[in-house]
Amino acid sequence: AQSVAQPEDQVNVAEGNPLTVKCTYSVSGNPYLFWYVQYPNRGLQFLLKYITGDNLVKGSYGFEAEFNKSQTSFHLKKPSALVSDSALYFCAVRDGDYGGSQGNLIFGKGTKLSVKP
Amino acid sequence: DSGVTQTPKHLITATGQRVTLRCSPRSGDLSVYWYQQSLDQGLQFLIQYYNGEERAKGNILERFSAQQFPDLHSELNLSSLELGDSALYFCASSVDPSNYEQYFGPGTRLTVT
Repeated sequence: AQSVAQPEDQVNVAEGNPLTVKCTYSVSGNPYLFWYVQYPNRGLQFLLKYITGDNLVKGSYGFEAEFNKSQTSFHLKKPSALVSDSALYFCAVRDGDYGGSQGNLIFGKGTKLSVKP
Repeated sequence: DSGVTQTPKHLITATGQRVTLRCSPRSGDLSVYWYQQSLDQGLQFLIQYYNGEERAKGNILERFSAQQFPDLHSELNLSSLELGDSALYFCASSVDPSNYEQYFGPGTRLTVT
């Protein structure tokens, strides 16, 4: 079964410093990986995805993620954190076969990012 | 704004009752997904529809059911409600199941008292 793990419940970063939010995955076959962000009292917003191609994926709001097949990781990164980046971040993997009709996402437990001024 | 709408935003009801949550997908999206977010279970997939047909089921209780109508809006019906059903229910949509990006609505917060 497909799964993702986010080992950190919370990450604290000072504004202007680089940030990393960790995610590891376990899949059968090729992984299709995603990052979403959830601000308080809001729905989830898509940040970026890895389907195939370059291991470094660039997404919205200056975020990027590095796919590492040997370490089965897909860590989210940003070179310089902003206070407004404070939110809940979810890593997810697509369930089902490639090109198949089942397209739901399996989410990690989420990591709360806190960026202090 | 993702373009996915959900109503109502908040719902407070008593145990044993039945409620209906409504979702309108983004224009052009044929696939709808329902997820439940709770403190203890996290974000869990419930059910997926594509162009009116059920395509996948996740951890959906038998007391819950859903459908997608010809105009592509979807409804999630929750019956015989229990305190543990209190959660945030999200709807998401995508163009089709093979389109990997899902766009989420703002959610319906259900409180069962």
